[in-house]
Amino acid sequence: NAGVTQTPKFQVLKTGQSMTLQCAQDMNHEYMSWYRQDPGMGLRLIHYSVGAGITDQGEVPNGYNVSRSTTEDFPLRLLSAAPSQTSVYFCASSYSGSGETQYFGPGTRLLVL
Amino acid sequence: ILNVEQSPQSLHVQEGDSTNFTCSFPSSNFYALHWYRWETAKSPEALFVMTLNGDEKKKGRISATLNTKEGYSYLYIKGSQPEDSATYLCAFIRNTGNQFYFGTGTSLTVIP
Repeated sequence: NAGVTQTPKFQVLKTGQSMTLQCAQDMNHEYMSWYRQDPGMGLRLIHYSVGAGITDQGEVPNGYNVSRSTTEDFPLRLLSAAPSQTSVYFCASSYSGSGETQYFGPGTRLLVL
Repeated sequence: ILNVEQSPQSLHVQEGDSTNFTCSFPSSNFYALHWYRWETAKSPEALFVMTLNGDEKKKGRISATLNTKEGYSYLYIKGSQPEDSATYLCAFIRNTGNQFYFGTGTSLTVIP
C-alpha cells in the first residue's frame, strides 16, 4: 500500500492563480480530510469528507473547495490564491469517522506571492 | 472557537530522563482524544486513540492517561531517548461531529 499520497510536494503561485492539491489513498478509507499547518497555529481542519459524494466544512474553509467523487481521491482547490494561503497542507484519511486513527500524507508546501 | 491547549510548548530533557506533558480540552461533548507524534520533515503518526474516562494506553516507553470529566490527558515518556525528539500533538473530537481539533503541540528535544 502507498498509504496517503499528495502532489505536488511544493508549489509557488502568484496571487489570483488557481490550483488543485491532489490527495489519494489506497486503504479504502471512508473519511478524508485536509489540514493546513501554520507556525504557532497547529493543524487546522479545512474540509472533510465522510464518504464519496459527501463533504463538509471544517474550521477554516474560506477560499477552498473540495469534492469527493471517488473513495480514493479528495482534491483541494484554491480558486484564487492569496498570500494568506501560504502554508503547509496535509491530507489525512481514516477508516471511518473521528474515533479512528488518521493516516497523514507527506504534505504540500505552498507559497503564494 | 474550540480551544485545545498543550503545555509546555517546548521541552528539553537529558537522555534517560522521564517526562510528561499535558493536553487540555473541553470537558463537554467528549467523543475521543488522539495523540500523534510528529518528527521534523515527516507526517504526524498516531500514538493513541482514547475514548473512555480513565483510559490508560501504553506503547513501549510511552503511555497516556485520560480524564474526560476535567478535560485533560497526560502523555508520559519513560527514559527519554534521542529518537523520541519530536512534536507531540493531541486532537479532540466532539460527539457532535467528525471534526478534529488539534492543539499546537509540545516540542520535545532529548539531549544525548
